Amino acid sequence: EPEVTQTPSHQVTQMGQEVILRCVPISNHLYFYWYRQILGQKVEFLVSFYNNEISEKSEIFDDQFSVERPDGSNFTLKIRSTKLEDSAMYFCASTGRSSPLHFGNGTRLTVT
Amino acid sequence: AQKVTQAQTEISVVEKEDVTLDCVYETRDTTYYLFWYKQPPSGELVFLIRRNSFDEQNEISGRYSWNFQKSTSSFNFTITASQVVDSAVYFCALRSGLGSSNTGKLIFGQGTTLQVKP
Repeated sequence: EPEVTQTPSHQVTQMGQEVILRCVPISNHLYFYWYRQILGQKVEFLVSFYNNEISEKSEIFDDQFSVERPDGSNFTLKIRSTKLEDSAMYFCASTGRSSPLHFGNGTRLTVT
Repeated sequence: AQKVTQAQTEISVVEKEDVTLDCVYETRDTTYYLFWYKQPPSGELVFLIRRNSFDEQNEISGRYSWNFQKSTSSFNFTITASQVVDSAVYFCALRSGLGSSNTGKLIFGQGTTLQVKP
């Protein structure tokens, strides 16, 4: 069964650095999402992406964040000038029109 | 506004007990979907079930069963004869039908941590 793939599985970065989290959604899916889960908390919506543009973003998704689908297969989340509170698990997800959201295994981001 | 409430933060049972995880949702949409995901200690989100708002038929899959009641806006999840491997965080989630104004994002509840002891 097709899977959503996320790399890296774990990223450690220093405060103030930029990170790029990568995702390869399922190939025939059209809707893409990023979610965040701070340790021990619920899964929070960050942004949705459709037709090569952001369709919705949450309050969390401020100017520090950006998303891109540079080549028709990858879907990236960039976090500029990381802060300690950005430490979390970041999940990518994709879906077709009527299918469930399929999640990747997540990237654990640790900001030191 | 959409909201999902899982009032049980943590549940602890002994193996072979039955356990029910509660989920209550709020939405103004007429078309929506409800989901349950399992998050084992390894951290990934595992899809368990999806129900749409027009289908209130309960579903059973092995030891798992789901009770969807639109009248009470609830979508409860029961594990029969629980096993240690069922220990995980379980999330209930709500999603609107995709459309011009809906992006299909999932709204998650806070999650219920289930511990099954041997």
